[in-house]
Amino acid sequence: DSGVTQTPKHLITATGQRVTLRCSPRSGDLSVYWYQQSLDQGLQFLIQYYNGEERAKGNILERFSAQQFPDLHSELNLSSLELGDSALYFCASSGYGTRGNEQFFGPGTRLTVL
Amino acid sequence: QQQVKQSPQSLIVQKGGISIINCAYENTAFDYFPWYQQFPGKGPALLIAIRPDVSEKKEGRFTISFNKSAKQFSLHIMDSQPGDSATYFCAANRGSTLGRLYFGRGTQLTVWP
Repeated sequence: DSGVTQTPKHLITATGQRVTLRCSPRSGDLSVYWYQQSLDQGLQFLIQYYNGEERAKGNILERFSAQQFPDLHSELNLSSLELGDSALYFCASSGYGTRGNEQFFGPGTRLTVL
Repeated sequence: QQQVKQSPQSLIVQKGGISIINCAYENTAFDYFPWYQQFPGKGPALLIAIRPDVSEKKEGRFTISFNKSAKQFSLHIMDSQPGDSATYFCAANRGSTLGRLYFGRGTQLTVWP
């Protein structure tokens, strides 16, 4: 158990809908990262937050947004969903200092868009 | 553009054998190289990591070999066991930035009993 929690575990929805994925980082970790995993694209970085502030953006679509709250949990919002958004979405967290590079992944949310 | 290239895509090894997975990178600014292990239905789990100031790091049956001049690093699993059957990902980032990881495409390892 990495200490990172994600809810829900599975999500099935229809095209055009909007969903919210939730992540709670390990206790004390300030950084949260969101990654998308699909068979054709592998593990792709979406966005990073550090202590409530957006720190870096990757291949995140404009239909997707995220935020990190004062209690450090994070939410990833996916809107106007398309079939191609079906994937596993992982959240990871990391601490600071010399071990700040160690990213610990949650169990993921499997999104299926029908 | 794939910043980290991983091979092979799949690997079948007999129990007790050595599994070797290779990765190559282009960005010389990368200075942190972790390996992750992922079982079906689970998130990637950090297995072992290395920084370029050493050429090898060993933890139990898992060893990372690092060749800075060739910009390559590899994972060796000694005495491979059926329980090691999983997908392995190499990754890299600029450690000083505590930023995103660039992942390889993964290697599906199957260890036959």
